[in-house]
Amino acid sequence: LAKTTQPISMDSYEGQEVNITCSHNNIATNDYITWYQQFPSQGPRFIIQGYKTKVTNEVASLFIPADRKSSTLSLPRVSLSDTAVYYCLVGDGGANNLFFGTGTRLTVIP
Amino acid sequence: DAGVIQSPRHEVTEMGQEVTLRCKPISGHNSLFWYRQTMMRGLELLIYFNNNVPIDDSGMPEDRFSAKMPNASFSTLKIQPSEPRDSAVYFCASSLDTAYGYTFGSGTRLTVV
Repeated sequence: LAKTTQPISMDSYEGQEVNITCSHNNIATNDYITWYQQFPSQGPRFIIQGYKTKVTNEVASLFIPADRKSSTLSLPRVSLSDTAVYYCLVGDGGANNLFFGTGTRLTVIP
Repeated sequence: DAGVIQSPRHEVTEMGQEVTLRCKPISGHNSLFWYRQTMMRGLELLIYFNNNVPIDDSGMPEDRFSAKMPNASFSTLKIQPSEPRDSAVYFCASSLDTAYGYTFGSGTRLTVV
């Protein structure tokens, strides 16, 4: 089971780009990297998933270096509504993908 | 699509009582997961089913907890007898292909007094 390490919390001003990095030094060859977002009183919501290089969707971008030992979730021009906890998960789609760490609590400041 | 539907949204019960939480996964999804979230322990996987069969229940805290999935559209998580330390938010999630992640329900907030 690949363990992940993320910062506990981050603050950012509105309109800034936010980058949250996740370390996963023992990622396996078959493992994907998945990020979730959780608002208070709601369940986690899938944001983005990638295997290598860069993935972009309408919400975020995910940057994965060649060694895949870390990944960075990039949120462009954050707004107050992006205040949430962001979780990084690493796994191959089986049981290994099902364990959430402590996540990163992002607070967007006006 | 209505998403993953959980009921009830809130449950307050007395210690020793039986509690049943319900989940309706997204139609067509073949995997279902039960999670528990507390401030102290974060999100914990309790059990997951694939094609209605329990695959891994190693996260179920003790024999007081049981989960069933009698068909593809319904699952229950039962706690009997309930204890104050069971107070938490219980989430159900479903997925078809983990390449697209899991869809979570809104959760059931359980308070055992």
